Order: sequence, then structure tokens, then C-alpha cells
Amino acid sequence: AQSVTQPDIHITVSEGASLELRCNYSYGATPYLFWYVQSPGQGLQLLLKYFSGDTLVQGIKGFEAEFKRSQSSFNLRKPSVHWSDAAEYFCAVASPSGSARQLTFGSGTQLTVLP
Amino acid sequence: DGGITQSPKYLFRKEGQNVTLSCEQNLNHDAMYWYRQDPGQGLRLIYYSQIVNDFQKGDIAEGYSVSREKKESFPLTVTSAQKNPTAFYLCASSIGDQTTEAFFGQGTRLTVV
Repeated sequence: AQSVTQPDIHITVSEGASLELRCNYSYGATPYLFWYVQSPGQGLQLLLKYFSGDTLVQGIKGFEAEFKRSQSSFNLRKPSVHWSDAAEYFCAVASPSGSARQLTFGSGTQLTVLP
Repeated sequence: DGGITQSPKYLFRKEGQNVTLSCEQNLNHDAMYWYRQDPGQGLRLIYYSQIVNDFQKGDIAEGYSVSREKKESFPLTVTSAQKNPTAFYLCASSIGDQTTEAFFGQGTRLTVV
């Protein structure tokens, strides 16, 4: 069965600092990978996705993620964090031959941004 | 603008009562989903529907029911049989069941009082 681990429950960074959120997955082959962001009391917004090809994926809001097959990781990065980035971030994995109902989500990382 | 609308945003229910959460989409998507979100946990799938008049149980369907009479609508009923219904509920849709990219609504927070 597929699974997703986000080892950091809560991360605090200063505005303007760089950010890396970790995501590790367990899956027999190369899955489809996603990062979503959730502002308080809101739904999930897709930041970026990886299906195949270039392992460095660019997303919205200046985020990027790198797929590393050898480490089964899909870490999210941003070079300079803005106060508006404070939110909860979810990594998700799905089988390439599956469907959205088979999305498996991590437990989330809460990001706090200090002024 | 196309999107998914969930209503109400906040909902309070007395113990023993059924309550229905609304989800409407105008994306012309065939597949729709209901997730439950609890603090510190990821999303868990309650029910999903691949096409109109068809739906299937997800991982935590007990105490919930759904209907899919129209393509754009997928209401979720939280019944009195659900032992711990207080949670944040998210509705999502995808173009078809064979696609993995899901689009989410803004959620409904249900509190049992």
C-alpha cells in the first residue's frame, strides 16, 4: 500500500528566509506526486505536481519541488518565504494507473512565518 | 468562474440529528469525492462517485450517506450513526475517475453540540 510521510509537523521560518518541506513516500514504482496548500478554514489548492520527466517541478507562488527516486522524496522548496505563505502544506501520492480517489495524503506540515 | 462550492461554511448540529452538507461543481467533472479532515491528520476518503447515479464507499463511510442524482451535485449526509462527526469536510472533483488531479472546495466545518 502506498503511504506518505511528512516528518515535520510544524516549521517556523522568518520572512525572506528559504524554506524546505520534506515529503517521503512509499510506493512500488514511480507514483504521481502532488503538493497542496491549505489556508486556515479553506480548501486545498494545488501548488504543483509531478507525473514524469524533469525531476525539478515548478509550481505556483514561487514554489518548486524535486523528485528524488533514490530517496523516495518529493521535497517542496521556496527561496524566499512571504508572510502570506503561512498555511498548512500537504504532500500526496497516487498511482499513475489509478484515480483521484486513490490519493494518499500526508498528515501535513504547518508553516509559521515570522515577521 | 468554474469551481466547487460547498455550503454552509460552518454547521452546528445537535447530537442525534442528521445533517446534509452541500457540494456543487460547475467544472463539468464526472467524478466527485468527499473527504474528512481532522487536526494533525491527512485527508480520509468518505465516499466517491464516478458518474451520475453511482457512488462507492471510501475508507471511512460508516455513518455517512451520499447521493448523485445530478452531475454537478454530490451532497453528503452525516447521520446520527456517525460517532464522532465533528470535523472539517472537503468536497473534491476530477475530470474523470481515471485522472489523479483533484480540485477542492472550500470546506464545511461541522461541529456537534
